[in-house]
Amino acid sequence: QVQLVQSGAEVKHPGSSVKVSCRVSGGTFTTSAISWVRQAPGQGLEWMGGIIPVLRTPNYAQKFQGRVTITADDSTSTGYLEMTSLTSEDTAVYYCARGVDRGVGASTVHFDHWGQGTLVTVSS
Amino acid sequence: DIQMTQSPSTLSASVGDRVTITCRASKNIRNYLAWYQQKPGEAPKLLISKASTLEGGVPSRFSGSNSGTEYTLTINSLQPEDFATYYCQQYYMYLTFGPGTKVNIK
Repeated sequence: QVQLVQSGAEVKHPGSSVKVSCRVSGGTFTTSAISWVRQAPGQGLEWMGGIIPVLRTPNYAQKFQGRVTITADDSTSTGYLEMTSLTSEDTAVYYCARGVDRGVGASTVHFDHWGQGTLVTVSS
Repeated sequence: DIQMTQSPSTLSASVGDRVTITCRASKNIRNYLAWYQQKPGEAPKLLISKASTLEGGVPSRFSGSNSGTEYTLTINSLQPEDFATYYCQQYYMYLTFGPGTKVNIK
């Protein structure tokens, strides 16, 4: 049984950084596409990027290029999302999700398992 | 980027109704289309992938179909637990989500 368990809620000041973790149990971590999707309050879902650990190279949505870093630690089956230069517009629930790879990479997946979400609040 | 639109943005329905939600892609996505259900305070749940493949454990009253770049989620005989927001997502190229359709109780 696949489970994704995320780290706890964060409160950050504008201009700071945040790092959220996602521990995956069950399934095969290294060949899964671990992705990050965020949802601002009352808004829809927004894909930020993902990584297939065995391939090492992450894919990012253009909007987040340069401000987001997605990594994976095979030894602990944990994925990470780090985002810098936070503003109030980054206040959202951040989900990790396991993507089903159709053989093209982490930017062409759909998601069969999701973490519980991590609320990141950016406020002065 | 491939843009996804959904209609309607909200709909009101009663238990037992047949509900149809439409998602349109700005380009041919070759049926690489998934549907999710999200309830307040919960993570999304995958219902359908590859336009019409029902995920295990999802009730058979949910179905997906398509015609060209228009994709449809149908819920036959709406149940109380089906009141939620539904999102489509293309995964043909640099995945994107539709804006969502909220299904309310009439």
